Amino acid sequence: EAGVAQSPRYKIIEKRQSVAFWCNPISGHATLYWYQQILGQGPKLLIQFQNNGVVDDSQLPKDRFSAERLKGVDSTLKIQPAKLEDSAVYLCASSSLGPFANTEAFFGQGTRLTVV
Amino acid sequence: GENVEQHPSTLSVQEGDSAVIKCTYSDSASNYFPWYKQELGKRPQLIIDIRSNVGEKKDQRIAVTLNKTAKHFSLHITETQPEDSAVYFCAADSNYQLIWGAGTKLIIKP
Repeated sequence: EAGVAQSPRYKIIEKRQSVAFWCNPISGHATLYWYQQILGQGPKLLIQFQNNGVVDDSQLPKDRFSAERLKGVDSTLKIQPAKLEDSAVYLCASSSLGPFANTEAFFGQGTRLTVV
Repeated sequence: GENVEQHPSTLSVQEGDSAVIKCTYSDSASNYFPWYKQELGKRPQLIIDIRSNVGEKKDQRIAVTLNKTAKHFSLHITETQPEDSAVYFCAADSNYQLIWGAGTKLIIKP
């Protein structure tokens, strides 16, 4: 089966600019996650969707980050305006069951964001 | 909230020897404990998981043990090979999300 697709793979922007990431989960997967992984750390959940509804966004910095999953399939994550500390890899993952996080999550390749 | 601690942060073992990575968690309601492997520049991938109704699970050279009373679980890799070099993450489920450990960088020395 096709995996989780993410784009772009790399992005370099200046601070205060805006950026958007796109994710296409595995077909049929109801649960979609966006994680932020800073170099040398474990993934940190930003937001979790069940179909097109938000299950958890408690760690999403809502003053600058936003995410949506229209029609319960693809998702976009936006940062506006970006800060230097937003430099990280943004990982999208999906799983077939949910909303409980008790099944395998399949990750995309990630988008490496560098804010200069 | 849930806190997952993982040790050691770096582990260097001779090829062919065993490696053990340990994690502790704080939420007694956690029931699912996966281990993910992340090779340099690649995505995390599930290598093994265990649920709270099981004490041990094996898959070829890897095994995971769980002690719910003590709230700790461990990853065991036997007969380590060069391709085992990676960062390994433990995690525990809590309130609809996975809480991840900080990771262990496993280095296999030839």
